[in-house]
Amino acid sequence: SQTIHQWPATLVQPVGSPLSLECTVEGTSNPNLYWYRQAAGRGLQLLFYSVGIGQISSEVPQNLSASRPQDRQFILSSKKLLLSDSGFYLCAWSAGQGNQPQHFGDGTRLSIL
Amino acid sequence: SQKIEQNSEALNIQEGKTATLTCNYTNYSPAYLQWYRQDPGRGPVFLLLIRENEKEKRKERLKVTFDTTLKQSLFHITASQPADSATYLCALDRGGRRALTFGSGTRLQVQP
Repeated sequence: SQTIHQWPATLVQPVGSPLSLECTVEGTSNPNLYWYRQAAGRGLQLLFYSVGIGQISSEVPQNLSASRPQDRQFILSSKKLLLSDSGFYLCAWSAGQGNQPQHFGDGTRLSIL
Repeated sequence: SQKIEQNSEALNIQEGKTATLTCNYTNYSPAYLQWYRQDPGRGPVFLLLIRENEKEKRKERLKVTFDTTLKQSLFHITASQPADSATYLCALDRGGRRALTFGSGTRLQVQP
């Protein structure tokens, strides 16, 4: 069966520090991969998605970036974190061309001090 | 751009009753719509998908309707239980792009 791993579960970082969040998927090949951010009590904001290695679509211009160095690995990065980057970050995967369910990891709670 | 509206007020119902949650959308005609459940501090979990040519979809105690004229989907939980308490999110496709637009969710609280 397919599984998605996301780490770390919680992270506290100072303003201006770099960020790297990693997500890996097992049990499937060529998945679509997604990064979302969720502010407290709010919906999911799509940040990036990828339909293949090296293919990244950016939804919201910001100081975050994403990379997909391997088929089942998706990384969210920042060179310098802002206070506004605090939130709950979720990785997800889906199969196929479209109209498929998305399967989410357990998220990373990021607090910027 | 797509706009999705879910009732931001929490829905409180008594155990055993039917919960009905609403998802309205504008500026778009989605080919399909999905519903997810999210528990506090966890990622959303997929529940049901309904296509534009389907009026209704059922899964156990769950039922989803899709009215493309009203631009609305209704999500029903029959014989609700306290364990059904969670936030429920609807999501629309993005027209051929392999991504979804999520609503902000409605929190359901089932009282024993």
